[in-house]
Amino acid sequence: AQSVAQPEDQVNVAEGNPLTVKCTYSVSGNPYLFWYVQYPNRGLQFLLKYITGDNLVKGSYGFEAEFNKSQTSFHLKKPSALVSDSALYFCAVRDSNAGNMLTFGGGTRLMVKP
Amino acid sequence: AAGVIQSPRHLIKEKRETATLKCYPIPRHDTVYWYQQGPGQDPQFLISFYEKMQSDKGSIPDRFSAQQFSDYHSELNMSSLELGDSALYFCASSNRDSVIYGYTFGSGTRLTVV
Repeated sequence: AQSVAQPEDQVNVAEGNPLTVKCTYSVSGNPYLFWYVQYPNRGLQFLLKYITGDNLVKGSYGFEAEFNKSQTSFHLKKPSALVSDSALYFCAVRDSNAGNMLTFGGGTRLMVKP
Repeated sequence: AAGVIQSPRHLIKEKRETATLKCYPIPRHDTVYWYQQGPGQDPQFLISFYEKMQSDKGSIPDRFSAQQFSDYHSELNMSSLELGDSALYFCASSNRDSVIYGYTFGSGTRLTVV
């Protein structure tokens, strides 16, 4: 069965500093990986995805993520954090061997302080 | 651009009542997914439909049922509501080839059971 782990419940960074939100996954087939952001009382907004090809994926709002097959990781990164990046971030995976639905990680709350 | 429309946005029901949540996918999207996000939880997959047929089934209680209609909109029917059903219910839509085109989430319906 597919699963996603986000080991950090919360990540605190200062504005202007780089940020990393960690994600590891487990699938039986090929992983299709996604990052979503959720603001309070709002829906899930798509940030980026990895399907195949270049391991470094660039997405919305200056975010990027690196797919690492050997470490089964897909960490989300941004070179310079903004206060407005403060939100809940979800990593999700679709297993090529297991249906068409996404499985989400537990979420990581990102707090960017001025 | 049109997004995934969910109605109602908010719903308050009493225990043992029934509720119906509606989801209108993006035009030409043929697959609909339902997720439940409890307070402080990650979204949990409930059920999905492709071309009006049930596609995948997740942790959907027997008290819940869903269907997709000829115009591709979907309804989630919830009976004998319990306090624990209070959650944010998301609908997402995609083309069958969701890996390439991705998933688009609605803003959710917040159900409160009192």
